[in-house]
Amino acid sequence: QVQLQQSGPGLVKPSQTLSLTCYISGDSVSSNTAAWNWIRQSPSRGLEWLARAYYRSKWNIDYAVSVKSRITTQADTTKNQFSLQLNSVTPEDTAVYYCVRGIGSWLDYWGQGTLVTVSS
Amino acid sequence: DIQMTQSPSSLSASVGDRVTITCRASQTISSYLNWFQQKPGKAPKLLIYTASTLQNGVPSRFSGSGSGTDFTLTISSLQPEDFATYYCQQSYDSPRLTFGGGTKVEIK
Repeated sequence: QVQLQQSGPGLVKPSQTLSLTCYISGDSVSSNTAAWNWIRQSPSRGLEWLARAYYRSKWNIDYAVSVKSRITTQADTTKNQFSLQLNSVTPEDTAVYYCVRGIGSWLDYWGQGTLVTVSS
Repeated sequence: DIQMTQSPSSLSASVGDRVTITCRASQTISSYLNWFQQKPGKAPKLLIYTASTLQNGVPSRFSGSGSGTDFTLTISSLQPEDFATYYCQQSYDSPRLTFGGGTKVEIK
């Protein structure tokens, strides 16, 4: 059974960096069939895909255009986890953030979600 | 980005009712359409993928249909545990995944 366990602070100050980690059990971050996504949800923006990392002989990374200049995701194979960093946050980045496994063309396992509030 | 439009945005129904939710894509997405159920304070849960395939463990009262731009999620006999918000999501334009705005199913 795949499980995704998220960790990271729930409060970030404006202009600072949001950092979250997703630990994977029951699968490998280096899987040749899975992709590891970050998705956020807010009342104003709904569900919004942000980024993904996946391994197919080499690491591949994709970012949403809306955050591309501020976002980084990367995999840590030694700890079997992947991370999200979002720089220069504003109150508009306040949302519940999820890490999600993609398999085939669907998203099957989700982390528990982390409410991140951007406020001073 | 491909826009996903769900209707209705909310509905009231009784236990035992047949419920239908529709999702329309702004351009053709073949069968790259998935449905999720979300309860308050919880992550979305995959119900149906590629328009009509039931995820393991999901009750058979849930079904999906459609292709191209128009899709339907049907609950054949609404149960108390089905009161939730439902989302459609396209993966045709992967990785630029987009979601519908949600349909909240409430108790009449």
